[in-house]
Amino acid sequence: SYVLTQPPSVSVAPGKTARITCGGNNIGSKSVQWYQQKPGQAPVLVIYYNGDRPSGIPERFSGSNSGNTATLTISRVEAGDEADYHCQVWDSDTFHYVFGTGTKVTVL
Amino acid sequence: QLQLVESGGDLVEPGGSLTISCAASGVTFRETFNSYYMSWIRQAPGNGLEWISYISGTGNTIYYADSVKGRFTISRDNAKNSVFLQMNSLRVEDTALYYCARVAYSGYDYWGQGTPVTVSS
Repeated sequence: SYVLTQPPSVSVAPGKTARITCGGNNIGSKSVQWYQQKPGQAPVLVIYYNGDRPSGIPERFSGSNSGNTATLTISRVEAGDEADYHCQVWDSDTFHYVFGTGTKVTVL
Repeated sequence: QLQLVESGGDLVEPGGSLTISCAASGVTFRETFNSYYMSWIRQAPGNGLEWISYISGTGNTIYYADSVKGRFTISRDNAKNSVFLQMNSLRVEDTALYYCARVAYSGYDYWGQGTPVTVSS
């Protein structure tokens, strides 16, 4: 089965840039989505189709995808960005949706 | 604004069965619920997200994760704007918060708040 690997945690100071990676075999050939999940809340889609933002998501959130790694970048990090972030793809070989292991972002 | 509300979560003994539901409201006049493809996704305490099952708008196409295939059954009633998950032969490791979500952009754009399922003796 297809596996997506994320770092367990990322720490960043306010105003700096956070980069969260999502590794998978030839993930660059797939469409990657990213979700933000705050404690006690349902996930919220922040990036779809690798780098597109749903309406209402700040431009500070951006995504890229190439080779074996997709990256979610959060620029000018704010305290409110502290959350768990999950990557996700659709695996057309197995007809399964696959989520990454999740990354906890801590704002120092 | 589409709203998804899950219900039916409960405490169940290992080997038991349970059916949970997801009701949609706020379906726009330009769309019908049968145009929405839906999924169930679960999250065990302190863990990440795990996709469980997918159902197309008409219900003709269904997929399951290997961890639940043969034990869980997804279905829908478009007249009632609802999706269901029947869970049989429940195991302790099925304990989780179960979310329903609408498929969009190869992912999910609307999520419910989840319903808790606990499998314990």
